[in-house]
This record gives sequence, structure tokens and C-alpha cells, in this order.
Amino acid sequence: DAMVIQNPRYQVTQFGKPVTLSCSQTLNHNVMYWYQQKSSQAPKLLFHYYDKDFNNEADTPDNFQSRRPNTSFCFLDIRSPGLGDAAMYLCATSRETGTDTQYFGPGTRLTVL
Amino acid sequence: AQKVTQAQTEISVVEKEDVTLDCVYETRDTTYYLFWYKQPPSGELVFLIRRNSFDEQNEISGRYSWNFQKSTSSFNFTITASQVVDSAVYFCALSVRFSSGSARQLTFGSGTQLTVLP
Repeated sequence: DAMVIQNPRYQVTQFGKPVTLSCSQTLNHNVMYWYQQKSSQAPKLLFHYYDKDFNNEADTPDNFQSRRPNTSFCFLDIRSPGLGDAAMYLCATSRETGTDTQYFGPGTRLTVL
Repeated sequence: AQKVTQAQTEISVVEKEDVTLDCVYETRDTTYYLFWYKQPPSGELVFLIRRNSFDEQNEISGRYSWNFQKSTSSFNFTITASQVVDSAVYFCALSVRFSSGSARQLTFGSGTQLTVLP
């Protein structure tokens, strides 16, 4: 089945130690998004890729970076995680041809010690 | 600016009861989409339904139904004969084009935690 896959599902890192989260998709969608969701809150968009074009949200901290080496994969890099970065990170994809429904992966729950 | 309001933070019902989740939105765009997503405890956001701004027909899918009314900027979601498996957080969301024109931006409501008791 076509889907959005995120690895790992759970990630534990230490304060200040860089971490990379992975997202892949078999939907062949041209847009990929990264969201941060803290406990009992709505998802918050960090950035998105439209094809190879990177679009950063104005309030996304510089500590968060992203890479999209090809259509199928997208990575979220947190350069120096702080305790406040502990959250669920959700990857989503959409096809920009009209309906633009975003389909989400299962998420990666990040713990910062 | 876009805004989605889900006034009900938590709802608790007994199994087999009907329950309606409210959603009110604000946008100046004339073309937009409205969505409902379900987030079970596992964390994945599951797409339930999409409605575009030009289609006000109500929709029924099994035990789920949606009522879209542009006059009141509302997009309410009703679960008939609720089941324990319906327990989750439900998010209403509004989609409009980014100002850059690339892709669409989803604005989420704060979510409603639905608990269905056996």
C-alpha cells in the first residue's frame, strides 16, 4: 500500500546531541511537510518542500533544518536539541493538483534527556 | 489570517450515544478546503474527510456525517452510535494557499478529545 513512513518511531537523544528524523513516501507526492506537535496541542508546521524548493515558516527556530535528497525522502535535522524540543514530529505529503489533501505518517516521538 | 476554533476541549459519551464535534473557521479566501483528522493514542493523524468551499452538500459515511454551512462558517462532525474505538482526538483543519503560492497551508483547530465509555 502507498504510504508515508517515518523512522524511527521513538527517538531518545541527549541535550545538545544532534538528531536526524527520517520520512519516506511511496505516494509520489511532490510536497512534503514537517510538523511539530507537543502534548495536547495542534500540529505546528515547521517547513515544507514543494518539489526541491524549501519553504521555512517564519517562527521555525534555526536549530531545525531539513533536507530532501529526492522525491521520496525528507529528513529533519535538529542540530542541538533542547528540552523544549521534546515532541511528536509528523511528516506529511500532498499532491498539489487540486485537492491537496495532506497524508500523515505515524510520527516520531522525540525524547530529550 | 486563517483561524479554526474547536470550542469543545473534551467530550465524554457512553457507547452508542450520538456525538457532534463543532468546528468554526475564519478565512478571507474564497477557495479553501476543510478537513477532519482523527488522532488515536498511537499518534498518527488519520484523514477522514475533505470538503471544498464550493460544495455545501452534507456527507454521510457509515456512522460518520458532516454538516458544512458557509453561512455560519461551520463544519461540524457527527458520530452516530459511538463506539469505544472512536475514542481519539479529532482535529478540524482549514487549507488555503500559502502566500508564496506553493502548496497549501493547513491551519488546525486545537482539537477535541473524545472519550467513549463502554
